[in-house]
Amino acid sequence: EVQLLESGGGLVQPGGSLRLSCVASGFTFNTYALTWVRQAPGKGLEWVSGITGSGDNTYYVDSVKGRFTISRDNSKNTLDLQMNSLRAEDTALYYCAKSSSWDWTDAFDIWGQGTMVTVS
Amino acid sequence: NFMLTQPHSVSESPGKTVSISCTRSSGSIAGNYVQWYQQRPGSSPTAVIYENNQRPSGVPDRFSGSIDSSSNSASLTISGLRTEDEADYYCQSYDTTAVVFGGGTKLTVL
Repeated sequence: EVQLLESGGGLVQPGGSLRLSCVASGFTFNTYALTWVRQAPGKGLEWVSGITGSGDNTYYVDSVKGRFTISRDNSKNTLDLQMNSLRAEDTALYYCAKSSSWDWTDAFDIWGQGTMVTVS
Repeated sequence: NFMLTQPHSVSESPGKTVSISCTRSSGSIAGNYVQWYQQRPGSSPTAVIYENNQRPSGVPDRFSGSIDSSSNSASLTISGLRTEDEADYYCQSYDTTAVVFGGGTKLTVL
């Protein structure tokens, strides 16, 4: 079964840092792009960052550029999101999602359950 | 970057047909694929349409997608509405540097 399991969320003060992780199973990890999508309480989905299968190319929404870093370890089937200089507006449920191909813009066919980040 | 604009909410009766629009603010809607996701309360999103009009395995053919270049918009149409279709629906597309989601539409089946 294809699965994504996020961890690392929690309560952090403004200006602080947090590192989210996503462990994948059930598919050939290095052949698929991955992404982070967040959802603030009671709000809609917001794409945060994407990374290609090789990890060579990364992409970010403007509001997190310079503060967040996406990375992956294809030997461990893990995706990470290092979040620095956190702000109240970063408070959200963070989902890890798998693209349907190596292309980071392809549809997200598998989603994790999410990990909650609260900046307060 | 561009924006995708959806109606905040729509409602329709069981058995009827409803369409949800998604208008792209800049750039051609036909230039990049549009996906649609369903999110039921308390659950993670799942794809119901990808590449404008393709249905993932397991999604009933009551769900269909289309694009209209004249209005620069995409639409998700659900026919034969069931109470289980009540959910939030999000369109999604992209350009060369970012992925963008619409604001979401709450579908009420009453």
